[in-house]
Amino acid sequence: EAAVTQSPRNKVAVTGGKVTLSCNQTNNHNNMYWYRQDTGHGLRLIHYSYGAGSTEKGDIPDGYKASRPSQENFSLILELATPSQTSVYFCASGELGDYAEQFFGPGTRLTVL
Amino acid sequence: GEQVEQRPPHLSVREGDSAVITCTYTDPNSYYFFWYKQEPGASLQLLMKVFSSTEINEGQGFTVLLNKKDKRLSLNLTAAHPGDSAAYFCAVSASSNTNKVVFGTGTRLQVLP
Repeated sequence: EAAVTQSPRNKVAVTGGKVTLSCNQTNNHNNMYWYRQDTGHGLRLIHYSYGAGSTEKGDIPDGYKASRPSQENFSLILELATPSQTSVYFCASGELGDYAEQFFGPGTRLTVL
Repeated sequence: GEQVEQRPPHLSVREGDSAVITCTYTDPNSYYFFWYKQEPGASLQLLMKVFSSTEINEGQGFTVLLNKKDKRLSLNLTAAHPGDSAAYFCAVSASSNTNKVVFGTGTRLQVLP
């Protein structure tokens, strides 16, 4: 069964609204990541975490917050959504170590109107 | 920081032909490299990971070449078939103990029958 799940899979939000994207992993990995995928940009790292209680800024953190309440769960929060945040968001988990690959969730398609 | 350029953005080949996707990176201290495949509407799946000490890595139907001198990584699908139609992303691990990777912008491959 899927080891990294995301909810919701699709979301339509209004400008200025609050959006929370959730990610759950059963891999027991310490590290978790949030990316957004846009045409022409590949995947860009928003926030990541080394374990419960930790969050770190990635390459494009502005406008996003993250929360890691447990080993299994990692949330991405858009406090005031904007149309520029319309994208596909992927969560991933990975073990410690530079040679460890990341395991991706199915993605969430977010549209901000 | 690390920058990864991936070419070409789109590639169309006939079944049985070879297809080559290339990534160039900037950080000479990059040691770990990954190729991911993303089928339409799906998430990313690891295709291969390579360590900088090995220049040629062979998988099932493809070869990954690493040229550290030129800071270039390439994926060569030797005899493409329609099932290879997907987006391909390289990823480069540019820093130690963080598990952070930088993704290329992706190549959308279409294999025509």
